[in-house]
Amino acid sequence: AQSVAQPEDQVNVAEGNPLTVKCTYSVSGNPYLFWYVQYPNRGLQFLLKYITGDNLVKGSYGFEAEFNKSQTSFHLKKPSALVSDSALYFCAVRPLIKAAGNKLTFGGGTRVLVKP
Amino acid sequence: DTEVTQTPKHLVMGMTNKKSLKCEQHMGHRAMYWYKQKAKKPPELMFVYSYEKLSINESVPSRFSPECPNSSLLNLHLHALQPEDSALYLCASSQVGTGSGAFFGQGTRLTVV
Repeated sequence: AQSVAQPEDQVNVAEGNPLTVKCTYSVSGNPYLFWYVQYPNRGLQFLLKYITGDNLVKGSYGFEAEFNKSQTSFHLKKPSALVSDSALYFCAVRPLIKAAGNKLTFGGGTRVLVKP
Repeated sequence: DTEVTQTPKHLVMGMTNKKSLKCEQHMGHRAMYWYKQKAKKPPELMFVYSYEKLSINESVPSRFSPECPNSSLLNLHLHALQPEDSALYLCASSQVGTGSGAFFGQGTRLTVV
């Protein structure tokens, strides 16, 4: 079975400071890993993904994430947070093996609050 | 076109009503999904269609009935729902069997009264 953990319910950061949202995963074999952002009463917007290759992945809106296989982590980062980054962030995992189908498993979500 | 379009955006229905949620995409994706999301919780997978065939049903009650009439459309038929079924229902699509991310619609906010 696959699972994702986001250990922090909420992250508070001052505008202009670095932002980190943590994610760890458990999956059989190699994973596909994703980050999504959700604004109030909206659907999920895709930020970035890791499939293979370079462990540092760059995505939309200045976000990046670092894949660490030994720590089974995929933390989301942004060097300088904006007030408009305040939203709900979800990490998700899907195994590479075809037998798993297209099942995407989400972490519990982390609310990010960026204060001016 | 990188959009997944869901209609209606809001729906209020009684427990004896029958209604349908609709989802459409024109990205050529052959996997489509229904998720249910409660407030401040992650989306929960309900159904997955691959090549217009139901491939995953996450033990969803029969009062929810999915349908995939063609490669661009996905419906969710609702009948005899309960108040606890009130939630945001999200449709998503992706390529099959690759590492592509899923694209989500903006959801239908369903309230059962």
